Amino acid sequence: DTGVSQNPRHKITKRGQNVTFRCDPISEHNRLYWYRQTLGQGPEFLTYFQNEAQLEKSRLLSDRFSAERPKGSFSTLEIQRTEQGDSAMYLCASSSVPRGYTFGSGTRLTVV
Amino acid sequence: GEDVEQSLFLSVREGDSSVINCTYTDSSSTYLYWYKQEPGAGLQLLTYIFSNMDMKQDQRLTVLLNKKDKHLSLRIADTQTGDSAIYFCAESISQGNLIFGKGTKLSVKP
Repeated sequence: DTGVSQNPRHKITKRGQNVTFRCDPISEHNRLYWYRQTLGQGPEFLTYFQNEAQLEKSRLLSDRFSAERPKGSFSTLEIQRTEQGDSAMYLCASSSVPRGYTFGSGTRLTVV
Repeated sequence: GEDVEQSLFLSVREGDSSVINCTYTDSSSTYLYWYKQEPGAGLQLLTYIFSNMDMKQDQRLTVLLNKKDKHLSLRIADTQTGDSAIYFCAESISQGNLIFGKGTKLSVKP
């Protein structure tokens, strides 16, 4: 097991395009989290899954954002009609208990 | 609302101790965390403390929690150049949601 894996590492997209990121958590972890980090800030919570159920969503997760975890394993985060303000590092984390999350290296999104 | 505050910068000499401070607002937090982030990388969990503890030690790291004042600190003994990074304090307010501070950039001078 190599930890939490996120793909792609970097994504550059034009404003208005849709993008999708993937997160593969540590295999025995049933909890999966998405966070967003902008420059000079700490990560901000977006959403949380336990198995395939999406149990919490931040108000930051506007209707252009959708996250899925269809089989309780990997997860995808899609952003529709991207805006420049969406440029950030998108971090995924997983855990088997509600503490001590393991983060992935993130996907850096740049919207031009 | 919930808020976590940290000083933004700390500079120490190699071999000295570093102390990074954090204040939080939610008295119902069950766990408090310290994460380390190196440039271009994700966050590495350093340590965490349960809210009914007041101290936790793990090798060179010592965490002190003052629940009355909602103050958390991380002490790194014998700081090395490899400790240079941004350190984030975080509090858990629900099962999924961690509230992070803006991070303290630690610079270690040889």
